[in-house]
Amino acid sequence: RKEVEQDPGPFNVPEGATVAFNCTYSNSASQSFFWYRQDCRKEPKLLMSVYSSGNEDGRFTAQLNRASQYISLLIRDSKLSDSATYLCVVNPTGTASKLTFGTGTRLQVTL
Amino acid sequence: GAGVSQTPSNKVTEKGKYVELRCDPISGHTALYWYRQSLGQGPEFLIYFQGTGAADDSGLPNDRFFAVRPEGSVSTLKIQRTERGDSAVYLCASSLTGLRVDTQYFGPGTRLTVL
Repeated sequence: RKEVEQDPGPFNVPEGATVAFNCTYSNSASQSFFWYRQDCRKEPKLLMSVYSSGNEDGRFTAQLNRASQYISLLIRDSKLSDSATYLCVVNPTGTASKLTFGTGTRLQVTL
Repeated sequence: GAGVSQTPSNKVTEKGKYVELRCDPISGHTALYWYRQSLGQGPEFLIYFQGTGAADDSGLPNDRFFAVRPEGSVSTLKIQRTERGDSAVYLCASSLTGLRVDTQYFGPGTRLTVL
């Protein structure tokens, strides 16, 4: 079983739609969770950290369910510029800052 | 300010050759990481430096891979006797202290193609 699993997509949605991605992780002791965004042939960039209480940044909402070991990302009012690959990232406990990435979920927002 | 830079941006080599990939982290960042990203996959951890020392090299796939950071700033990833399976984008990242909560900032990567 992969340490971090995501549906690779692609998710094709019209502009203005709401879209949600889920991700599951296998290490129940993991402590830190993130969503990174990666544009085609570019480097990953931190979108947001994910906290147990859930957190929101504008149109983006991230949630963590420790009991079920899954992380979600909700994007409201999708824009064309949101088209990218969204990487679910976990920092396993006991290792300083080693990040474990999922394969990514590709989002394509269309007119 | 300047971000993480990596050179070269592209490297094409022949099977069996030796290559060096360079990473310049953000100034003042003590932690530096190397990842490898194959097509259709997420980045995969290779090695983490805290200062000059390799704090975790558990991701290096075999002894053909080696990395150094002699002065605690620039790092070089070295691959001996390259194989076609080494073809990937090699990403470098840096963070301020290496603490788990620190944001890792990635460079644009070096695309390595082994023919």
